[in-house]
Amino acid sequence: EDQVTQSPEALRLQEGESSSLNCSYTVSGLRGLFWYRQDPGKGPEFLFTLYSAGEEKEKERLKATLTKKESFLHITAPKPEDSATYLCARGIREKLTFGTGTRLTIIP
Amino acid sequence: DAGITQSPRHKVTETGTPVTLRCHQTENHRYMYWYRQDPGHGLRLIHYSYGVKDTDKGEVSDGYSVSRSKTEDFLLTLESATSSQTSVYFCAISEPRQGFMNTEAFFGQGTRLTVV
Repeated sequence: EDQVTQSPEALRLQEGESSSLNCSYTVSGLRGLFWYRQDPGKGPEFLFTLYSAGEEKEKERLKATLTKKESFLHITAPKPEDSATYLCARGIREKLTFGTGTRLTIIP
Repeated sequence: DAGITQSPRHKVTETGTPVTLRCHQTENHRYMYWYRQDPGHGLRLIHYSYGVKDTDKGEVSDGYSVSRSKTEDFLLTLESATSSQTSVYFCAISEPRQGFMNTEAFFGQGTRLTVV
């Protein structure tokens, strides 16, 4: 079965405390791994696409990395405005399958 | 922001009534999608379209139908609304790039539907 699993479900960090979010998938034949940010009451906002193991993408305090079986979203020295739910999705046959997300809270 | 407009943004309807949600895009993207988002389940694909009049089912398509008569519009219809269809519905669009099976999707702001 095509599954995307995100961990942890929720994460609370102090401002400036770096950490990583995990996204793992069970089906081979990856056709893209996507990261999104979602704020309460809003639609998901696209962050990154990764296609190949070893690929990395960066944007401000976020860096996404990809291996053959999982992806990590590293957040460095986070600020309160980075609080959101982070979603990952894998691509397969023109469709995206999403994980249930990690709810990140940054405490000032 | 990607030019995606969902309407209505909020709706309350009674069980057994038909409901239509609309997604309008100004980006001329080929693919359009309808997802629902529920606590504990994440985003689940209902139906998608890969061109005018070309649609296919997603993982939770029972009780839903779609239509796409123009590139810019994708309609989702709940044929006879049930309480289990209370959810937040998101429309998304994407445009394939040569050499890539999947490309990023851009989402609308969502429609909160309550079936009472």
